[in-house]
Formats: sequence, C-alpha cells, structure tokens
Amino acid sequence: GENVEQHPSTLSVQEGDSAVIKCTYSDSASNYFPWYKQELGKGPQLIIDIRSNVGEKKDQRIAVTLNKTAKHFSLHITETQPEDSAVYFCAANSWGKLQFGAGTQVVVTP
Amino acid sequence: GAGVSQSPSNKVTEKGKDVELRCDPISGHTALYWYRQRLGQGLEFLIYFQGNSAPDKSGLPSDRFSAERTGESVSTLTIQRTQQEDSAVYLCASSFHTNTEAFFGQGTRLTVV
Repeated sequence: GENVEQHPSTLSVQEGDSAVIKCTYSDSASNYFPWYKQELGKGPQLIIDIRSNVGEKKDQRIAVTLNKTAKHFSLHITETQPEDSAVYFCAANSWGKLQFGAGTQVVVTP
Repeated sequence: GAGVSQSPSNKVTEKGKDVELRCDPISGHTALYWYRQRLGQGLEFLIYFQGNSAPDKSGLPSDRFSAERTGESVSTLTIQRTQQEDSAVYLCASSFHTNTEAFFGQGTRLTVV
C-alpha cells in the first residue's frame, strides 16, 4: 500500500520568510497529491493540489512541485504571515485511497 | 448541504459501550472517507467508500470497527465495546470522485472514560 513520509515535523519561520515542506510517496500508481491546512479544532482544508501530469502549480503565495521519478512533492509558502501558522498535511491518492503524511506544525513568528 | 456534516460533534462514552458516528457528505459526492486523528497526531486512514461499496477496509483497527454507507449518501462508523485507546477525533471527508478535492467535516471528538 501507499506510504507517505513528511518532513519536517515542525518548522519555525520568521514572518516574511519562506517555508518548505517535503513529502515522499511509495506507490508509483499515485496520481493525485493534495495539501491540507488544519487549524486547531477544525477539519483539514485543501490549500492546493497537483496531479501527476503536472510538475508545478502555483496559487498566489503557495506553490507545489512534483517529481514523479523521485516520488517527491513539496509545498512552498512565500512571504509567510502569522495566519499561515497551522499544521500542514500532504497526501497521495492511490487507487482511490487518500493516504496522509504525519503533518508539519508551522509557526510563523512576527 | 453546504458542506460535510458530522454528528455528534462530541461524544463521551463509557468503556465497553457501542457508539455510532454519522457523516452526511456533500450531495452528489460519490467518494467518502473516514479517518482517525489522535491528539497531536496525523490522519490515520480507516476506510473509504466508492458509492455504497468499500473497496478497502484495511485501515480498520480491529473487528470492533465497522462502517456502512447507504443511498450513496450518509455513512455511519460504528465502534463496538469501546476502549480508552479509541479516544480520538473521527473525521469524515467526501469528494465528487476519488482523485478530486476531498472536503472534510469538523469531526466527532470521541472520549472513552
């Protein structure tokens, strides 16, 4: 089955700096890779996703890259703001099953 | 409805009792997922439905856990003879198809005392 690993587990950045979270997956059949943001006491919310036929996707301050050969995908947040503080999860969808990484606690300090 | 709805939002139960957790997905969504999230932890996959069928039940932790979905709509997750380690937030998500955006509910916080 699919196994998704996510690093780092915690990330502290100064406001205005960039944050990068990296994930690897094991199943070459995985073809959909969403990223979720979870704030305390709430359900996860999708922030960006990418499909296996695309190498990069950007939405304002957020970008995701995918390297299918290496089975790596990454989330990049530029010009971080305090409201970016949350737990971020990567996920990979293989044969309909959406498997999540362990999460990254991002803290943006003013 | 406007989003995925889960009920109850909170449930406190005594060890050994059975509980039923309900998920109402977004209308028209064919895929439905259940996850367990222990405090400060990640999302543990439990089961997913495509329509009313569950192609993959491998994530269910034990035979005390079961789930069903009817009418390609509401789903219930049942935990029999609850134990303290079952305490967690149980999250449900739905999507139009698998491999499309999954929307999460707010979860049911289960506490077994």
